[in-house]
Amino acid sequence: EAQVTQNPRYLITVTGKKLTVTCSQNMNHEYMSWYRQDPGLGLRQIYYSMNVEVTDKGDVPEGYKVSRKEKRNFPLILESPSPNQTSLYFCASNSGSPAGDEQFFGPGTRLTVL
Amino acid sequence: KQEVTQIPAALSVPEGENLVLNCSFTDSAIYNLQWFRQDPGKGLTSLLLIQSSQREQTSGRLNASLDKSSGRSTLYIAASQPGDSATYLCAALHDDSGGSNYKLTFGKGTLLTVNP
Repeated sequence: EAQVTQNPRYLITVTGKKLTVTCSQNMNHEYMSWYRQDPGLGLRQIYYSMNVEVTDKGDVPEGYKVSRKEKRNFPLILESPSPNQTSLYFCASNSGSPAGDEQFFGPGTRLTVL
Repeated sequence: KQEVTQIPAALSVPEGENLVLNCSFTDSAIYNLQWFRQDPGKGLTSLLLIQSSQREQTSGRLNASLDKSSGRSTLYIAASQPGDSATYLCAALHDDSGGSNYKLTFGKGTLLTVNP
C-alpha cells in the first residue's frame, strides 16, 4: 500500500530536549516536505526536499532542521524545542512531476513542548 | 505570493441539503488544486484533485470545479449527511521557487456541520 508514515504520532517533551520526527514514504517519490498546522494559521510549509541531499527552507523554517540522506526518508529535527513549536506536524510527498501530482500526507504528529 | 482563501469559515446545514464550499487563489499559475477533508485532530484525507487543464472532477456525491482564470474552485456536496461533518481544506499546488519547490498553499478551511 502506498503510504507516508510518521513516528511518533504523539509526543510530549520539555523545552530544550532534542527530538526527531521520522517520515518515510514507499512510493519512490522525489519530493518531500514538512508542514505544521496551527489554529487560525492553517498549514504552513517548514522545509522541503526535491531529492536526496537537496533541501531548502519553506515559510517557517526557524528552529527546525531536516536531512535527506535517502530518498524514502525525510526526518524533521528540533535541536532545542520551545513551547511555540507545539503543533500538529505533517509530512508529505509527491513524485515531483512538473505536471503536479497528488500530494500524499502522513497521519500527523502531535507535538507538545512544555 | 500565492494566497488561498476559503469562504465561509464555518457552515451549518440540515441533513440532506446540497451545499457549496468556495475556494479562491490569487495566482492562477497552479499545477493543480486539491480538496482535503480533516476530522478533528486527525490527518488529511484527499478528496479530489483537479489538474490545471481540467474543469471539474467528481467522486460520488462530491464534485469539484476549477476556473483558473478567475482563481476559483468550488466543492459541491450533494445530499449532505452527518458523516460529512468535518473541516474541508483546499490547496493549490504551485512552483514557489522557479522550479524547485512544488509547494501546496492551503486555505484555512471551512468547518462543515451537518445536523441530523
